Amino acid sequence: DAGVTQSPTHLIKTRGQQVTLRCSPKSGHDTVSWYQQALGQGPQFIFQYYEEEERQRGNFPDRFSGHQFPNYSSELNVNALLLGDSALYLCASSLSVDTQYFGPGTRLTVL
Amino acid sequence: SQQGEEDPQALSIQEGENATMNCSYKTSINNLQWYRQNSGRGLVHLILIRSNEREKHSGRLRVTLDTSKKSSSLLITASRAADTASYFCATETSGSRLTFGEGTQLTVNP
Repeated sequence: DAGVTQSPTHLIKTRGQQVTLRCSPKSGHDTVSWYQQALGQGPQFIFQYYEEEERQRGNFPDRFSGHQFPNYSSELNVNALLLGDSALYLCASSLSVDTQYFGPGTRLTVL
Repeated sequence: SQQGEEDPQALSIQEGENATMNCSYKTSINNLQWYRQNSGRGLVHLILIRSNEREKHSGRLRVTLDTSKKSSSLLITASRAADTASYFCATETSGSRLTFGEGTQLTVNP
């Protein structure tokens, strides 16, 4: 049984570009949450998707958007990248409000 | 902003010793969870304690929760070099949204 998977592992972009990160949840999980973790800090909640709808959103600008597909996989899109968007982006899946299981993350570097 | 604050920020001990990490938070919670992270990789779920529980055990882990003081502690007994990692507490307030602290960096020396 595969756990949460994320792609790509690493990504380098330049300021102003757009990026799409992908997440496949653990089998049987219907809820996907995204977190941003800057170096040396704890993860911060970006948003959560359930039944293809954004259910909750953290304090992130509209440049951050997402999508959940019928198979429960999810994408995180970031437009107009800033240097400060450089971070580890973590996806977590759960069955509704149960324990969240995290993927290995995508390391985004913005130059 | 972070709800939880871990204490200490860094902890260095010898193998076989016990490690204790503390977490404080600010608002009412549904549950509190502890996660481990190795070298900037994904988070591994360790243990969840609900707001109506006071203590929970899982193997070498012992977690306590004091909702009146809004604090929790994680005890790792008989530590091993493989326990070296960052440990985070995370509080769940509503809708399974987790709010993390800044973490404690634990180093276990062989």
